[in-house]
Amino acid sequence: KQEVTQIPAALSVPEGENLVLNCSFTDSAIYNLQWFRQDPGKGLTSLLLIQSSQREQTSGRLNASLDKSSGRSTLYIAASQPGDSATYLCAVRMNTGFQKLVFGTGTRLLVSP
Amino acid sequence: EAQVTQNPRYLITVTGKKLTVTCSQNMNHEYMSWYRQDPGLGLRQIYYSMNVEVTDKGDVPEGYKVSRKEKRNFPLILESPSPNQTSLYFCASCPLAGGTYEQYFGPGTRLTVT
Repeated sequence: KQEVTQIPAALSVPEGENLVLNCSFTDSAIYNLQWFRQDPGKGLTSLLLIQSSQREQTSGRLNASLDKSSGRSTLYIAASQPGDSATYLCAVRMNTGFQKLVFGTGTRLLVSP
Repeated sequence: EAQVTQNPRYLITVTGKKLTVTCSQNMNHEYMSWYRQDPGLGLRQIYYSMNVEVTDKGDVPEGYKVSRKEKRNFPLILESPSPNQTSLYFCASCPLAGGTYEQYFGPGTRLTVT
């Protein structure tokens, strides 16, 4: 059974810092991995999607990498801003049983001015 | 604007009173799904649908029903809600054509059952 872990559970940084959020998964037979942002009481916003054949994806200040063989993905946020404060979730879609996403429990990020 | 919508956004109800949470997407996606989010448990899939009239159970289907009569709509039905169904519910959709399976989520419905 696939298990997705995100460390740390919470992170507090001053504005301007570069930071890395980690996501690890136990079964490397994934189809893709998706990073989401969730603001308190709100829905999930898709940030980046990495297919299993890709190594990384970039969008603005965000860069996500994938190392399928080691079961790891990282989300790099450059020059963090208070508006980046949110919970970040990673989710994997399996090659078999691809009908659902398996989610990690998230990293709660607070960026202080 | 391409989006997934859910209604209502907030609902407080009593045990046993049937309710329906609606979900609609305007992106012509074949796949739709319902998740619930609980503290410490993350998001768990309730039901999903691969296309019209095709639905199947996810990880936590007990106490829920769904239907998919039209491509754009995927309502979640609680026939007899109980307090353990108090949760934050999300509807999601994704296209099956193209092979990326990027999933889009609705804004969520916060349900409280007393």
